[in-house]
This record gives sequence, structure tokens and C-alpha cells, in this order.
Amino acid sequence: GQQVMQIPQYQHVQEGEDFTTYCNSSTTLSNIQWYKQRPGGHPVFLIQLVKSGEVKKQKRLTFQFGEAKKNSSLHITATQTTDVGTYFCAGLNQGGKLIFGQGTELSVKP
Amino acid sequence: DTGVSQDPRHKITKRGQNVTFRCDPISEHNRLYWYRQTLGQGPEFLTYFQNEAQLEKSRLLSDRFSAERPKGSFSTLEIQRTEQGDSAMYLCASSSFSGNTIYFGEGSWLTVV
Repeated sequence: GQQVMQIPQYQHVQEGEDFTTYCNSSTTLSNIQWYKQRPGGHPVFLIQLVKSGEVKKQKRLTFQFGEAKKNSSLHITATQTTDVGTYFCAGLNQGGKLIFGQGTELSVKP
Repeated sequence: DTGVSQDPRHKITKRGQNVTFRCDPISEHNRLYWYRQTLGQGPEFLTYFQNEAQLEKSRLLSDRFSAERPKGSFSTLEIQRTEQGDSAMYLCASSSFSGNTIYFGEGSWLTVV
């Protein structure tokens, strides 16, 4: 079945350093969605990418969708302690099912 | 703003008991999803509905699990004869149509003792 792989599983950074998480799907996706989950919380929608090669920015966050619509990345510039949490990518397949990656847990040391 | 709401938020039950969770999606969203999440893992797809029709069920959804969306609005997820392995957070999500943003509720935590 369809799989979405995400790396790394954990990332520990010093405040001010950059952070990147990568996402790969075994199949072509209709779109990819990114979520952030704080400990004890639920996934909170960040952004959706639909077009091949699309790049979107939200302040210090940059999201990319690959040309083949099978991979994506999230890059955070100059991390802050408020960025702490687990970042999930989730690929929407042709049938409308959202498949999540395993997530990347980000910790930021002040 | 009435987002996706789930009830109860927390449930502790004895092994072998039945539990039911309710989800109220965002108004007018016709797609509704159920996911399960355990600590350190991403949400795992369980099932989803387009209006009242259940379109797909994961193999994770054993015969003890049943989900309904009788009028195409709220949904229930019932777990019969609960086992300790059922302990997890059960997440409900909704979207307006295929391809649109999927919004999650705050989840229902189940602990089976």
C-alpha cells in the first residue's frame, strides 16, 4: 500500500539554527499537507501544497513540493523555542485518503 | 468558529468493555475521517466517509471496530470488547471535499486498563 516516509525522526537544534524535515511518498500525490503537533495536542494544519514544484513560505517556514509530486520538505530558518513540536507531512492520494509520515520531532535548546 | 469537536476527550475503561466516541465535523464538511495515534507515531488512517457513505476501511479496523455516520453529519466510532492495545488517541477530521484542507479535532484519549 501507499507509504509516506519522513526523516529525520528527531532533530535537536540550538536556538537560531535552521531545521529541515523531508518527506517521500511511494506514489504520486494529489497534494501534500503539513501539520504541527505539540506534546499532548492534536495535529494543527500548517499548509497545503498542490502544484508540482510549488514553494510556499510562512514567515520563517518554507515548504516545497517536488516536481514529481512524490516528495516534499519543510525548512525552518533561525529556529525559536516556539517551534518545538512534531512536524508531520501527510500525502493525499487520488482516492482522498490522507496518509501521514512518521513525523519529525524538533527540540530547540535556548 | 465551530471546529471539529470530539467527545469524550478522555475515556478510561476496563478491558472487555465497549466504548463509543462521537465526532461533530465542521459544518457542511462532507468528508469525515477517523485516525488513531499512539505515542511517538503519526496518525494512522482508520476509515473515512463521504456524506453517510463509508468509502474505505483500513485493515487496522478489526471486527471490533465500527464507525457510522448515519445522516452525513456527526459520526460515531465504537470499539467492542476493548483490549489494552486499543489504548491510543482517536482523532477525527473533516474536509469540505476531496483535496481540500483536512482539519483535526482535539482527539479522544482512550486508556484500557
